[in-house]
Amino acid sequence: DAGITQSPRYKITETGRQVTLMCHQTWSHSYMFWYRQDLGHGLRLIYYSAAADITDKGEVPDGYVVSRSKTENFPLTLESATRSQTSVYFCASSEIDSSYEQYFGPGTRLTVT
Amino acid sequence: AQTVTQSQPEMSVQEAETVTLSCTYDTSENNYYLFWYKQPPSRQMILVIRQEAYKQQNATENRFSVNFQKAAKSFSLKISDSQLGDTAMYFCAFIWNNAGNMLTFGGGTRLMVKP
Repeated sequence: DAGITQSPRYKITETGRQVTLMCHQTWSHSYMFWYRQDLGHGLRLIYYSAAADITDKGEVPDGYVVSRSKTENFPLTLESATRSQTSVYFCASSEIDSSYEQYFGPGTRLTVT
Repeated sequence: AQTVTQSQPEMSVQEAETVTLSCTYDTSENNYYLFWYKQPPSRQMILVIRQEAYKQQNATENRFSVNFQKAAKSFSLKISDSQLGDTAMYFCAFIWNNAGNMLTFGGGTRLMVKP
């Protein structure tokens, strides 16, 4: 199906484990983003990518790693999960045009116990 | 740094009535864009309306309209003829040219439409 998908939709993991959240988009958008959503904070940018092999830090990058070897995929890895990383994670994509509209995936709810 | 503030954590409105959600932002930039996103219980983020800062005319999308006051750095959302399906979290967001397409979000307003 066309669009932007995330997997898994729900994940429970233990403190200290490595977790990878997947994001895939079918539009060939240049930009991709990872946000986390916490109560009272809205969405905060973790990392973003302007193109394949180009990534940069956002507002809250500590504890996260990203890669983008292909335009359509943008995985987010928590190298050693902590309870403070319990959150809902959203992936988004956008094209380089004047609209600046971002298209969001359905989100992944991650719980770190 | 750009900041976006939504001062109303929760609001409610009766079905068919009008409600206004507030948003203020702080920036030194002159060319930027403002958005309202809706997040229903399904969690999906949906773009409601967009405003370009260089346009004086307020954006309108069906029952949704904005009151954009550039000098006051205010960007409120008005929902007319509220419907039960409008129940959701609403986020105001800001982006400025040359920012790498990065959005800055406010903390959100939870809107409940009552029958």
